[in-house]
Amino acid sequence: QSALTQPASVSGSPGQSITISCTGTSSDVGSYNLVSWYQQHPGKAPKLMIYEVSKRPSGVSNRFSGSKSGNTASLTISGLQAEDEADYYCCSYAGSSTSQFGGGTKLTVL
Amino acid sequence: EVQLVESGGGLVQPGRSLRLSCAASGFTFDDYAMHWVRQAPGKGLEWVSGISWNSGSIGYADSVKGRFTISRDNAKNSLYLQMNSLRAEDTALYYCAKDLYPRIAAAGTFDYWGQGTLVTVSS
Repeated sequence: QSALTQPASVSGSPGQSITISCTGTSSDVGSYNLVSWYQQHPGKAPKLMIYEVSKRPSGVSNRFSGSKSGNTASLTISGLQAEDEADYYCCSYAGSSTSQFGGGTKLTVL
Repeated sequence: EVQLVESGGGLVQPGRSLRLSCAASGFTFDDYAMHWVRQAPGKGLEWVSGISWNSGSIGYADSVKGRFTISRDNAKNSLYLQMNSLRAEDTALYYCAKDLYPRIAAAGTFDYWGQGTLVTVSS
């Protein structure tokens, strides 16, 4: 089991779009469409933002979208807002009732 | 309203044991897989263990396999994590999390989280 690879940090100005990548292997991201993304503000529990690669839970803004190609999943946030500044984590099912998180990406809204 | 309340954390010496509990309410507990996810101070999220709705499927991270045991009591709407042979690197905030999908094995999509219970392993 190895952590999925995410960039440590990304930044963007209000109104812009940013994309966070999440690279795994053919044993996790590449094999299952069970990739999810979580937003975590400081001192708070994580919040589910995207599941099954590209689906949004009720109440999550449509500015958040997800996709996957091969062993790499991506989270795109369009129309950046100040409240989007947070840590973002990807997670993938890895078989045999196990899961793997990415190392996390700190998003800074400039 | 879904609520997950963890308890049982604290300061423990290396090599000792601790049992975490998670009390669930607001949903049909025995329909859903449940998980433990931890976060070391200033670090990222780490999936620790998951258990299916009927305890038929269980998974562990390599880092805890053989030392930690997950279990559930559907009659008490409770999830547990027995942690043995604790190490300094197990120091973290431990979250209980509900899986999104009913009646399947632990798929690792977490739609509700507790606020966590802090475990500190130190002499």
